[in-house]
Amino acid sequence: EIVMTQSPATLSVSPGERATLSCRASQSVSSNLAWYQQKPGQAPRLLIYGASTRATGIPARFSGSGSGTEFTLTISSLQSEDFAVYYCQQYNNWPLYTFGQGTKLEIK
Amino acid sequence: QLQLQESGPGLVKPSETLSLTCTVSGGSISSSSYYWGWIRQPPGKGLEWIGSIYYSGSTYYNPSLKSRVTISVDTSKNQFSLKLSSVTAADTAVYYCARENWSIDYWGQGTLVTVSS
Repeated sequence: EIVMTQSPATLSVSPGERATLSCRASQSVSSNLAWYQQKPGQAPRLLIYGASTRATGIPARFSGSGSGTEFTLTISSLQSEDFAVYYCQQYNNWPLYTFGQGTKLEIK
Repeated sequence: QLQLQESGPGLVKPSETLSLTCTVSGGSISSSSYYWGWIRQPPGKGLEWIGSIYYSGSTYYNPSLKSRVTISVDTSKNQFSLKLSSVTAADTAVYYCARENWSIDYWGQGTLVTVSS
């Protein structure tokens, strides 16, 4: 099983500032990596797939980078609606999907 | 716009079988491009993939749950279903159905299933 590890567990950032979230895979997943945003009481929403491609309707302030085992989600200028929990997920080992444990992005 | 909706009992007794159905609207479950899956999330915790099914009936399961999971499809009703047997309190979670397009691009709203006597 590919283990996905996210850091930090909690990130405190002020609105308007940049947030950088990390995700590490226990073995290479190539670019088969997705990022999701989850707000309380809601289902996750796909933000990024293929490590760096924004999903339909996702604002340009969200960007993804990385390949192999190291990945980053960057939110360039935080809006109030961006404070949520973010998960990474690998699908290189399809169909055995695995998710990271999540990073909670909170208002500083 | 594709929509997925979970349905089923919100309370299941220990040792019994959890049964949920996902109804897909706005698109056909028989599309050759997608798998359809179940993911769960215990309260306050992260996401766990349970398993997937193709419209033909081909299935894949998480090895950690494989002995207790059955996923089936009914293309005539545009639905797929989950059965999880011998449940315990550890199976208490929000259960999501979803469309798998390598990544997971559509999710149901989720349904909370509590295992308790």
